[in-house]
Amino acid sequence: GDSVTQMEGPVTLSEEAFLTINCTYTATGYPSLFWYVQYPGEGLQLLLKATKADDKGSNKGFEATYRKETTSFHLEKGSVQVSDSAVYFCALSDTNDYKLSFGAGTTVTVRA
Amino acid sequence: GAGVSQSPSNKVTEKGKDVELRCDPISGHTALYWYRQSLGQGLEFLIYFQGNSAPDKSGLPSDRFSAERTGGSVSTLTIQRTQQEDSAVYLCASSLEGSIVYEQYFGPGTRLTVT
Repeated sequence: GDSVTQMEGPVTLSEEAFLTINCTYTATGYPSLFWYVQYPGEGLQLLLKATKADDKGSNKGFEATYRKETTSFHLEKGSVQVSDSAVYFCALSDTNDYKLSFGAGTTVTVRA
Repeated sequence: GAGVSQSPSNKVTEKGKDVELRCDPISGHTALYWYRQSLGQGLEFLIYFQGNSAPDKSGLPSDRFSAERTGGSVSTLTIQRTQQEDSAVYLCASSLEGSIVYEQYFGPGTRLTVT
């Protein structure tokens, strides 16, 4: 079945540091890939997505590229801020599907 | 506009009691989803509604779990004879239609604690 593996946290960074969260997946079809973010006290929000190989999703300074050859969708941000402190979830939905399969989540804390 | 709302935000119940969790999706969204976020299992899909029907109940963990949706809007997730392993945050999401093409918008969740 479909599954998502993402790097375990927690991750603690200083402001303006570079952030990478690794995500790899297994899927039977040709999935769409997502990063969701959960800020403290808030619900899950879609951060970015990519629907085909070599697509790059981007939003709020975050980027992730759909790499079919390595079945990966790593999240990156060049200069994090305190406001980026949150839990980040990698997720996929397989071809013609509707439900999301999530990774375990990575807690990121950014210190001033 | 209004987002997905869920009630209650927190629920503490004794083992063996029944609980009902409510979800109000975004108006006009025909698809509704329930997910569960627990320490041991992460974030997992429970059930999907398209309109009032549930074509996919594959994620419901046992027959103690049921859900319904009425009027193509509000949904209720019912857990009968609650067990401690049911303790989790129950998330509801809705989307315009039942396809991953359409973004799923999540509610804030109901935190269920079974004592």
